[in-house]
Amino acid sequence: AQSVTQLGSHVSVSEGALVLLRCNYSSSVPPYLFWYVQYPNQGLQLLLKYTTGATLVKGINGFEAEFKKSETSFHLTKPSAHMSDAAEYFCAVSLNNAGNMLTFGGGTRLMVKP
Amino acid sequence: DGGITQSPKYLFRKEGQNVTLSCEQNLNHDAMYWYRQDPGQGLRLIYYSQIVNDFQKGDIAEGYSVSREKKESFPLTVTSAQKNPTAFYLCASSFKAGGPHNEQFFGPGTRLTVL
Repeated sequence: AQSVTQLGSHVSVSEGALVLLRCNYSSSVPPYLFWYVQYPNQGLQLLLKYTTGATLVKGINGFEAEFKKSETSFHLTKPSAHMSDAAEYFCAVSLNNAGNMLTFGGGTRLMVKP
Repeated sequence: DGGITQSPKYLFRKEGQNVTLSCEQNLNHDAMYWYRQDPGQGLRLIYYSQIVNDFQKGDIAEGYSVSREKKESFPLTVTSAQKNPTAFYLCASSFKAGGPHNEQFFGPGTRLTVL
């Protein structure tokens, strides 16, 4: 079984500041990791994913995340926040076996101050 | 354009009534999913289907039912047995269930309100 913890249900940054959203997972085997973004009253959109290979993953809208096995983390970062980044962000984990479901974290709401 | 459609976007229901939420995908995905999202909370899995004519209960299946008669369609019925059905419902699909093919694509959601 696997689980995901997102530290901080709300994060507030100023426009132009660094965005750091934290995600830690627990898994007995190497996981596949995902970050999704959700804008109000909309579905989720995939930002980026880690499956194998390079541990630093680049996604859409200038976001990136680094898989750190030793820390069981997959934190999401963006060097400079934009007002349009205000949304809810979900980290998710999946294991490499057929039928295994995505397990989502509780989400982090990012607020960007002008 | 390929994608997932959900209808209606907003749905109102009187207590004691069953209601069916539609989900259609043209991505040729085998697996489809239904999630429930409550304010300030994450996603909870209601039902999922890995192949036509087969589906499994998720974490909160009580009070819900599904069918998967066609690959493209996975409707969700919220029955009168669901005690607190007011929520945002999200449908998703993926090429397969599990592993690196588990990247899920989401529909725009249906907001159900029980009056």
